[in-house]
Amino acid sequence: NAGVTQTPKFQVLKTGQSMTLQCAQDMNHEYMSWYRQDPGMGLRLIHYSVGAGITDQGEVPNGYNVSRSTTEDFPLRLLSAAPSQTSVYFCASSYSPRGHYEQYFGPGTRLTVT
Amino acid sequence: AQTVTQSQPEMSVQEAETVTLSCTYDTSESNYYLFWYKQPPSRQMILVIRQEAYKQQNATENRFSVNFQKAAKSFSLKISDSQLGDTAMYFCAFISGDNRKLIWGLGTSLAVNP
Repeated sequence: NAGVTQTPKFQVLKTGQSMTLQCAQDMNHEYMSWYRQDPGMGLRLIHYSVGAGITDQGEVPNGYNVSRSTTEDFPLRLLSAAPSQTSVYFCASSYSPRGHYEQYFGPGTRLTVT
Repeated sequence: AQTVTQSQPEMSVQEAETVTLSCTYDTSESNYYLFWYKQPPSRQMILVIRQEAYKQQNATENRFSVNFQKAAKSFSLKISDSQLGDTAMYFCAFISGDNRKLIWGLGTSLAVNP
């Protein structure tokens, strides 16, 4: 099992550009989520999904879109990048659709918006 | 609002000694789950220990144990026989039974010194 994979590992964007952060898991987990991690801010939930076709907003959803067409994939789209979106982004998945059990994390994507 | 507070931004301990990291949380729910995650310099997020609120018995995983005080809404992590590989950021996290959103503390940076 590859677990949770994220691509790319690093990305630099200019303000206003759009891009998609990819996330995939091969554990057949129902629950998937996206977090951003900023210095001094801990992890903050952006969006989450409890199954294919079902997504919901987390704490900081503005500026980000998600979709879940398959159980395996949960891409995060930045519509028009802003410097405030400079962060490290983590994707995670969990066996429990309620997120009550361990979340398995990807290695993260470091995004810089100039 | 549900919150998680880690009052110790930084701690240090000598190798082989014991250290306790503090975590308090605020919720009106009775059914919830608590976690400690570790993030070493590699940035990979790893589950250390999990506690179900309805279980009175404190969770343990090898050298890691928790002191769960439900009435005080306290969930501290004790690391025994500290090892150099325990050097990491430690995050406390909380999820309530129906919420599906994991709430994180800001983390405690632990340095284990030789």
